[in-house]
Formats: sequence, C-alpha cells, structure tokens
Amino acid sequence: GEDVEQSLFLSVREGDSSVINCTYTDSSSTYLYWYKQEPGAGLQLLTYIFSNMDMKQDQRLTVLLNKKDKHLSLRIADTQTGDSAIYFCAESLSGYSTLTFGKGTMLLVSP
Amino acid sequence: NAGVMQNPRHLVRRRGQEARLRCSPMKGHSHVYWYRQLPEEGLKFMVYLQKENIIDESGMPKERFSAEFPKEGPSILRIQQVVRGDSAAYFCASSPPGQGSPYEQYFGPGTRLTVT
Repeated sequence: GEDVEQSLFLSVREGDSSVINCTYTDSSSTYLYWYKQEPGAGLQLLTYIFSNMDMKQDQRLTVLLNKKDKHLSLRIADTQTGDSAIYFCAESLSGYSTLTFGKGTMLLVSP
Repeated sequence: NAGVMQNPRHLVRRRGQEARLRCSPMKGHSHVYWYRQLPEEGLKFMVYLQKENIIDESGMPKERFSAEFPKEGPSILRIQQVVRGDSAAYFCASSPPGQGSPYEQYFGPGTRLTVT
C-alpha cells in the first residue's frame, strides 16, 4: 500500500540549515516531490526528483533520495523567516498521475 | 496566465445542505484533480478528471460525492447532504494534456468548507 510519513514539526533559527525528512513505503514510486503550503494558501511545488536520481540541487534546496531505505529529505540552506510554512512530501507511481501526500512538516524559522 | 482558480474560497453549509465547489484549471490544461485536506492531515486524492470523463475516482466516498468536468465551464465537486465530517479544505489541481505528467500539477488556493 501507499504510505508517506513525515515528522510533524521542525524549528530552526534564521540562517541555519533545515532538513525535513520523509519516508515512503511503495518501492514502485517513480516521482517524489516537495510542496510548500503557506497559511491559508494552496500548495506550491518546490522541487521533485525521479527515482533513478540520488540528489538534486536547486538554489537553496537540496533533495536527497535513498531508494534502498525509501527515505527522502529536503535541505534548505540559509533558512529565512519566509521559509516558515508546512512542507509536504508526496509520491506518485509509475504511469499514475495522482499524488500521495504525507501529513506535512511545519517549519518554524525564528529570527 | 492566471493560475488555477477555485471558488468560493470559504463555504459554510448546515448539515443536510448541498455544497458545490468550483475549479477553473489553468489555461490550456485539460486534466483536473481534486484533493481533500482534513484538519492536521495531508492531502488525500479524491478524483481525476479530463474533459467530460472521469479517469479515476478511487478516492471518492461512495455516497454523496460527485464530480464533473464538462466540455465548457469549470470542474464541479458536489457534496450532497453534507455532514460535519465533510469539513475540510478541498484543493483542485490541473495539468496540461498529454500523458499526465505528474510533476506538472498546479494547485489552486483551495475551498475551505465548514459544516455547522
């Protein structure tokens, strides 16, 4: 079955790095995503990674994928107060276009 | 190019009433997805539609819920005889035509339904 797990809360100081972790159970997941949700808003796609990749970097964001352990992480360098939001990990299966989301990690960045 | 539009943004219904949620996909997008977010939960897939076709409704409750995406006009998610447990945020996403590229799902701002 499909299941995506995330820790619920992370607190960091401005300027530090944040690492948000996610585990998934379905080994046939082909695409893995990180979405950001600010209060009262919809979801914004931050980045995604294909399952045949180990790492992807996009400006301050680094995604690491350990397919053996079914573990995905999002690292935000130089975290800013504007990064405070809920971050959702999601997966989709090969040839399937719907997304399965985790419950989200609330990131709180303090000055 | 306007993003995915949803209306209303907030909807209050009494138990037993009907709720109609509308979603206008991005221009040029022909795939629509509906997700539900219960309080303190992640988003759960409900239904995937293309114009005039329901492709996958495996996430839809068996009763009271229906969805359509007509040839003209927005996609509609309808909830009949609402109950308190239907209170949630309902998000619509759209993607362009083709093979349904999953990484191109763009989300709307959501409709927050409150059932009193």
